[in-house]
Amino acid sequence: AQSVTQPDIHITVSEGASLELRCNYSYGATPYLFWYVQSPGQGLQLLLKYFSGDTLVQGIKGFEAEFKRSQSSFNLRKPSVHWSDAAEYFCAVYAMEYGNKLVFGAGTILRVKS
Amino acid sequence: EAGVTQFPSHSVIEKGQTVTLRCDPISGHDNLYWYRRVMGKEIKFLLHFVKESKQDESGMPNNRFLAERTGGTYSTLKVQPAELEDSGVYFCASSLLPGLNTDTQYFGPGTRLTVL
Repeated sequence: AQSVTQPDIHITVSEGASLELRCNYSYGATPYLFWYVQSPGQGLQLLLKYFSGDTLVQGIKGFEAEFKRSQSSFNLRKPSVHWSDAAEYFCAVYAMEYGNKLVFGAGTILRVKS
Repeated sequence: EAGVTQFPSHSVIEKGQTVTLRCDPISGHDNLYWYRRVMGKEIKFLLHFVKESKQDESGMPNNRFLAERTGGTYSTLKVQPAELEDSGVYFCASSLLPGLNTDTQYFGPGTRLTVL
């Protein structure tokens, strides 16, 4: 069965430190990959997406993610975290053979220490 | 441009009661999706409308859930009768094009449903 794994439920980093949130997926072919963020009281906001081409994709708010086919991973990174980045982050996958829907990971809650 | 809106933001009901959630997609978006997140779990797909037609309802948990999208604009999701396990956050999303090769699903803030 298809699945998306975010192994870290919570992560705490200091403001200004670098960040990496992990995401692994299990699909036969290369799916379309997304990272969303949800701040308190807000909807899910798309940070970035990967469809094809350059495996390092840039998103909004200074985030980037790298697709690694050999590891079935799509990890999200940011070189310097700001206090406003505290939120919950979701990795999601779309694979056409599984229908026109997104399959999400369980989410990672990011806390930022000042 | 207004985003996806959902009403109410919170709902607390007792087991056996009925609740109706509403979603207003972005104007002009033919595709509307419902998702649900049960506490601590992943967000799961419920169903997909294309205009007023149900394209895929494979994620609907059981026949206590009824989704409608009359006129192809806003959508409602009714739970009748509600059970404890229906508690969670219900998200709505919309997109302009049916496939994701050129499009993105835009999400609303969600409705938090608590069944006591």
